[in-house]
Order: sequence, then structure tokens, then C-alpha cells
Amino acid sequence: SQTIHQWPATLVQPVGSPLSLECTVEGTSNPNLYWYRQAAGRGLQLLFYSVGIGQISSEVPQNLSASRPQDRQFILSSKKLLLSDSGFYLCAWRYPGSAGLGEQFFGPGTRLTVL
Amino acid sequence: AQSVTQLGSHVSVSEGALVLLRCNYSSSVPPYLFWYVQYPNQGLQLLLKYTSAATLVKGINGFEAEFKKSETSFHLTKPSAHMSDAAEYFCAVSDFSGGGADGLTFGKGTHLIIQP
Repeated sequence: SQTIHQWPATLVQPVGSPLSLECTVEGTSNPNLYWYRQAAGRGLQLLFYSVGIGQISSEVPQNLSASRPQDRQFILSSKKLLLSDSGFYLCAWRYPGSAGLGEQFFGPGTRLTVL
Repeated sequence: AQSVTQLGSHVSVSEGALVLLRCNYSSSVPPYLFWYVQYPNQGLQLLLKYTSAATLVKGINGFEAEFKKSETSFHLTKPSAHMSDAAEYFCAVSDFSGGGADGLTFGKGTHLIIQP
């Protein structure tokens, strides 16, 4: 079976500090990977997606970046955090191509508070 | 472009009563539709999905949803609410075509409150 992990679960960082959130998927190969942000009182906003190693597409211009150094590893980073970066970050995966008909499977999330 | 509207940011029902959470979508192509549930400080769990095989879709935990193309709706229902149903519910749409790296477009969510 497939599992998705995210860490850390909770993070408190000062403004201007760097950020690295990690997501790994087990039990599947070549998944499509996604980073979403969930701000209080809002829905989920797609930040980045990846269809393969080194292939990153950005949906929203901001001070965040993503990388995919390995097939099942997806990293969200920032060089300098802003207050507005606070939120709940969710990683998700789906089967590649036409397999699975589009449903995505979510990790447990990382709660980021920028002070 | 596709979009999702969930009517009512908060819905309160009594335990044992009918649960109805509303979702309307817009999509330029036949959509794939999903309902997810999120418990506090957790990720999203797929409740059910519509992929054109049947208009009435049954999901986990006794939930079901009906796709109505004429109304562009995909409302979520459960005949009898349980205290454990208290959570945030998200409707999502995808114009998934089998290629590319589409993300899901989510509604803003409906917080379901169950009154004892």
C-alpha cells in the first residue's frame, strides 16, 4: 500500500528565516506530486506540482520554491519567510498519467507559524 | 477555468439528522468531482469521487453524493449525522484528462457541526 509522510508536523519560525519542508511517498513509482497551502478560513491553494525528478511547475508567484531531488521526494523551501507564509502545508500525490482518474492522496500536513 | 462554490461556510445539524452539504462547480469539460474530509490538524481524506460511471456515488462513513449536470451540482448527503462526522468538508473539481499535472480546484470548505 502507499503512504505519504510529511515532516516536520509543526514548525515555528521567525520572519526572515529559511524553510525546508519535506514530503516522501512510499509504495508507488513516478507519482505526480503537489504542494498545497491552506490558510485560515480559506480553501486549499495549489503552490507547486511535479511530474518527475527535477520537473517543477509553479502555480503562484511567491517567495517559496520546490524541488524534487528523487522520484518520491518533494521539498518546499524558502530563503526568507514572511508572515504571510504561515499556514497549513499539505503534500499530495496521484498516480501518473491516466491511472487513478485524478484523485489525490494527501499527507498529514505541516503547521507553519511565522512570527 | 474551473471553479467550485460551497454554499455555507458552517452547517449545523443535530445528531441523527440529515446532513446536506452543497457544492456547485463550473468546468469547461466533463468534470471529475471529489469530496474530501479534514479533521482538525490532519490531512485530507477522500470521501468519494465522481468519474462519470454513475451519478449517485457512495463513499465512506455512510456519505453519498449525486452528480446533477443540469444543476452543475454535487451535493454531499448522509441520512443520519453522527458526532464523529464533525469536520471540515471540501468539494473539489478536476478537468483531469489523463495527461499533464493537473491539480484539484477546491471550494473554501464547509465546517460541519453536530449538535448533541
